[in-house]
Amino acid sequence: GAVVSQHPSWVICKSGTSVKIECRSLDFQATTMFWYRQFPKQSLMLMATSNEGSKATYEQGVEKDKFLINHASLTLSTLTVTSAHPEDSSFYICSARSGLREQYFGPGTRLTVT
Amino acid sequence: QQQVKQSPQSLIVQKGGIPIINCAYENTAFDYFPWYQQFPGKGPALLIAIRPDVSEKKEGRFTISFNKSAKQFSLHIMDSQPGDSATYFCAAANYNQGGKLIFGQGTELSVKP
Repeated sequence: GAVVSQHPSWVICKSGTSVKIECRSLDFQATTMFWYRQFPKQSLMLMATSNEGSKATYEQGVEKDKFLINHASLTLSTLTVTSAHPEDSSFYICSARSGLREQYFGPGTRLTVT
Repeated sequence: QQQVKQSPQSLIVQKGGIPIINCAYENTAFDYFPWYQQFPGKGPALLIAIRPDVSEKKEGRFTISFNKSAKQFSLHIMDSQPGDSATYFCAAANYNQGGKLIFGQGTELSVKP
């Protein structure tokens, strides 16, 4: 149990376009979802925390107008990178949690902006 | 005070060896200390976790040792195998304040056959 999926697993987009990444909890209801960004050979950096039905809480330095997060249901959260630029190229990972239990991570989405 | 410091950055051991990865924290409010394993191009997977009321926890070949007074915890991998070659991250969280995970810098482990 406790499976989290992400779609797509990789995406290439042109500079200036927007891209949406989906995160789904497949076998549990996720009251909280987290979005992380990971650059090569680096640790995971938390971007934002979202609770179902409420606005996301962004970490310091993360532009909320650039990284739009929607947690519309207990099994789905989306991250939209708006007006993407090459410096937004990274590995984006979501995690999901039910109540105060363990966080389960998705497989990640590799974003390349050309 | 929110940082978790992890060492070493990389580690090479022979098959059957016991790699040890160490983490240190400052925030005494942390009450949950997990370890994650990450393979290239994949998301992290929870290996084992410990709460501060326990000094040691074993799950299979993985052991966490926890020293509350020193504010340190470590991961030991018994009888390491080439398949254990991955990046390992420690983390800490305060579940009374939402349980946001603070990750260490990561350790790239290579187990040679």
